[in-house]
Amino acid sequence: ETGVTQTPRHLVMGMTNKKSLKCEQHLGHNAMYWYKQSAKKPLELMFVYSLEERVENNSVPSRFSPECPNSSHLFLHLHTLQPEDSALYLCASSQDLEKAEQYFGPGTRLTVT
Amino acid sequence: GQNIDQPTEMTATEGAIVQINCTYQTSGFNGLFWYQQHAGEAPTFLSYNVLDGLEEKGRFSSFLSRSKGYSYLLLKELQMKDSASYLCAVRDSNYQLIWGAGTKLIIKP
Repeated sequence: ETGVTQTPRHLVMGMTNKKSLKCEQHLGHNAMYWYKQSAKKPLELMFVYSLEERVENNSVPSRFSPECPNSSHLFLHLHTLQPEDSALYLCASSQDLEKAEQYFGPGTRLTVT
Repeated sequence: GQNIDQPTEMTATEGAIVQINCTYQTSGFNGLFWYQQHAGEAPTFLSYNVLDGLEEKGRFSSFLSRSKGYSYLLLKELQMKDSASYLCAVRDSNYQLIWGAGTKLIIKP
C-alpha cells in the first residue's frame, strides 16, 4: 500500500468520449504529478503541481487537462483522445519538489478505441 | 538533450548477484533514483544517491560516480520475487526527474 490511490484502474473510451482520471494521496505531500507510461519507453512527465499550483514545464496536448482542487487530489480530464494516447497513466506524490522521492499510485490502464 | 541509458533486459540466476548499469547526460544533477516496478504495478522507490560512492540497503546497493555520469544497482542473493523492471531516474537542474526506459530483470531458478 503506497498511500496513493487512483481510479479507475482500467478505462476504455472512444475518441469522442470525455472521461476523468482521479488520484488521491494520503501522505500529506505537497507535490503531485501525472506521468504517461508506454511500453518500452521512459516515463513521460505530463504535469506537476506544487502546493496546488501548476508548475509549467512540459508541452502536453490540450486534450489532456489537469485539475488540482486541493493538495490531496489530482484529476486528469480527457477529451477527444487518439489511439496513441493508450497507455498507463501514473499519479505520484512527493513531500516537495526539490529533494524527496516520489510515491506512485497503481495507475490507470487507458485504452482509446 | 537529456538522456538516460540502461540495458533493456538482463537475465540472472536465483541466489546470484546482478549489476544493472545506468549512464546519464542531463542538464545539471540533483540526485539519482532507482525504482523497482513489477509487471502491472506502480514503481516503488529503492534508493537515492546524490554524492559519489556506494549506498547499501539490505540486499540492494546503489553506486554513483558523478564525474562519469554513471550509476549501478547491485542486487545480491537474488530471489524470484526480484523479477521486475528497474528504473533509473536523474533529477536535473530544474528538479525534474528524467527517466530511463527501465531494465527488465528475469530471474531463473
